[in-house]
Amino acid sequence: NAGVTQTPKFRILKIGQSMTLQCTQDMNHNYMYWYRQDPGMGLKLIYYSVGAGITDKGEVPNGYNVSRSTTEDFPLRLELAAPSQTSVYFCASSYGGAGETQYFGPGTRLLVL
Amino acid sequence: GEDVEQSLFLSVREGDSSVINCTYTDSSSTYLYWYKQEPGAGLQLLTYIFSNMDMKQDQRLTVLLNKKDKHLSLRIADTQTGDSAIYFCAESGPIYGQNFVFGPGTRLSVLP
Repeated sequence: NAGVTQTPKFRILKIGQSMTLQCTQDMNHNYMYWYRQDPGMGLKLIYYSVGAGITDKGEVPNGYNVSRSTTEDFPLRLELAAPSQTSVYFCASSYGGAGETQYFGPGTRLLVL
Repeated sequence: GEDVEQSLFLSVREGDSSVINCTYTDSSSTYLYWYKQEPGAGLQLLTYIFSNMDMKQDQRLTVLLNKKDKHLSLRIADTQTGDSAIYFCAESGPIYGQNFVFGPGTRLSVLP
C-alpha cells in the first residue's frame, strides 16, 4: 500500500491563480481530511469527508473547495490564491471518525506571491 | 472559541523522562490526542484518551488527564534521540470534525 499520497510536493502560485491539490489513499478509508499548517502553528482543519459524496467544512474553509466523487480521492481546490494561503497542506485519512488513527500524506508546500 | 495551549519548547537529556503539558478550554471535549511530527513529515497519532478516563499507558507513553483543570500531559519514559520532534495536543467532540482544535505544538529536543 502506498498509503496517502499528495501531489505536488511544492508549488509557487501568483495571487489570483487557481490550483488543485491532489490527495489519494489506497486503504479504503471512509474519512478524509485536509489541514493547513502555518509556520510554528498546529494544524487547522479545512474540510473533511466521511465518505464518497459527503463533505463538510472544518475550522478554516474560506477560500477552498473540495469534492469526494470516489472513496480514494479528495482534491482540494484553491480558486483565487491569496498570500494568506501560503502554508503547508496535509491530507489525511482514517477508517472511522474521532478516536481513529489518521494517516497523513507527506504534505504540499504552497507559496503564494 | 475553543483554545488549546502548550509550552513551545522542552529540552531533556537522553534517558530522562519528558513531560509535555497541554491545557484546553472546551469542557465538551470528548477525545484528547497527542500527535508527533518529525521534520518534513505529516503528523503521526501517538495516542488518545477518552474524556472519561484519567490515565492511559502505552509502552513508554503515559497520558494523564485532569478534566477538572482541563489539563492533559504526555510523559515519555527513557527519552531517546529519536523522540526529538514536535508534539501536538488536540481535542475534539464525539464526531470527527466537530470542534477539532490543535495546540501550537511543543518542540522536544533530546540532548545526548
